Amino acid sequence: SQKIEQNSEALNIQEGKTATLTCNYTNYSPAYLQWYRQDPGRGPVFLLLIRENEKEKRKERLKVTFDTTLKQSLFHITASQPADSATYLCALYSSASKIIFGSGTRLSIRP
Amino acid sequence: DAGVIQSPRHEVTEMGQEVTLRCKPISGHDYLFWYRQTMMRGLELLIYFNNNVPIDDSGMPEDRFSAKMPNASFSTLKIQPSEPRDSAVYFCASSISYTGNTIYFGEGSWLTVV
Repeated sequence: SQKIEQNSEALNIQEGKTATLTCNYTNYSPAYLQWYRQDPGRGPVFLLLIRENEKEKRKERLKVTFDTTLKQSLFHITASQPADSATYLCALYSSASKIIFGSGTRLSIRP
Repeated sequence: DAGVIQSPRHEVTEMGQEVTLRCKPISGHDYLFWYRQTMMRGLELLIYFNNNVPIDDSGMPEDRFSAKMPNASFSTLKIQPSEPRDSAVYFCASSISYTGNTIYFGEGSWLTVV
């Protein structure tokens, strides 16, 4: 069956370090992948989109990679700050399916 | 633009009552989505519309759930009768297109059925 897994429910790291979140998928051939941020009590907010023919995409301190061979996307936040603490969701679109969201990773950045 | 607007933000209702959730998408967006989020199941797509027409309702849990989009600026999600297991956050979202574009979410409607 088709599945999306995000590496862990929660990730705690020290301020200033690089946070790396993982999104693995099986039985998909996604045309693109998106990352969203969700704060408590709020709706998800779009961060980055990466297409299947792109290896890497950057936006300020954020970087996303997409490896269609490994069926994995990595989401990096460099020079992390306490304000980066939130839940991060990956979402896949495949031409054969609807847009599917992962369950999210709750990131906590401690000062 | 004010973004996707949902109402009510919070609703507490008794089992068996009808619940209606409302959504105003971003003007000019042709796609409207209803999602449900729970701790156990994450964010699930219930139904989506294109140009006010329901395209895929395979995520709607059962016949107690129904959704309508009478015009480009308004949609409802109705649960009748409601059950405690329907307690969740319901998000409405809209997008210019279905592929390769940002999905803009509302702030959600927090439903508790007691």
